Amino acid sequence: EVQLLESGGGSVQPGGSLRLSCAASGFPFSSYAMSWVRQAPGKGPEWVSGISGSGGSTYYADSVKGRFILSRDNSKNTLNLQMSNLRAEDTAVYYCVKDQRSAPRGVDYWGQGTLVTVSS
Amino acid sequence: QSALTQPPSASGSPGQSVTISCTGTSSDVGGYNYVSWYQQHPGKAPKLMIYEVNKWPSGVPDRFSGSKSGNTASLTVSGLQAEDEADYYCSSYAGSNNLVFGGGTKLTVL
Repeated sequence: EVQLLESGGGSVQPGGSLRLSCAASGFPFSSYAMSWVRQAPGKGPEWVSGISGSGGSTYYADSVKGRFILSRDNSKNTLNLQMSNLRAEDTAVYYCVKDQRSAPRGVDYWGQGTLVTVSS
Repeated sequence: QSALTQPPSASGSPGQSVTISCTGTSSDVGGYNYVSWYQQHPGKAPKLMIYEVNKWPSGVPDRFSGSKSGNTASLTVSGLQAEDEADYYCSSYAGSNNLVFGGGTKLTVL
């Protein structure tokens, strides 16, 4: 059974930093791309960032490029998102998601999400 | 990358069929057969219902079906049941290893 468990969410002031982590199990982790998808209250999901199965390539939405850094540790089956210079518009539930392929093409599993609130 | 366009709401009576549309461009929906549909109940994570336009993940009933024509994808729910009431989101591969999602459709079972 695929399981994705996020941690690290919380409240932070504008301009601050936060690190999200995701522990994955139940599938060959290094064979699949992983991404973070966020969902602001009452809104549709927004793809934030993705990483290839090998970890050699990372991809970012324009809205977070230069502020977020995505990495993975295939020896520990973990995914990490370092978020800096946070803005109010980054407030959302952040989901760790597994892709169907080794590069981002479509999400098949979602974690339960972790809430990030950016407010002064 | 602009979000895909979905109608904000749809409804149908139990047993009826309802179709939800998802409109993009030739750079996403129209350009690739990587359209997915998700069901989300309140307070829960989204669940994959259809992938690669018209394929079913294991465990999803075949009352849910997907299709695509040009830049518009569609999800049809046949034989509506009370438990189908939820928010539905489409997503598409948008090239350059990016994904794009729709704004969501709230399906009400009357």
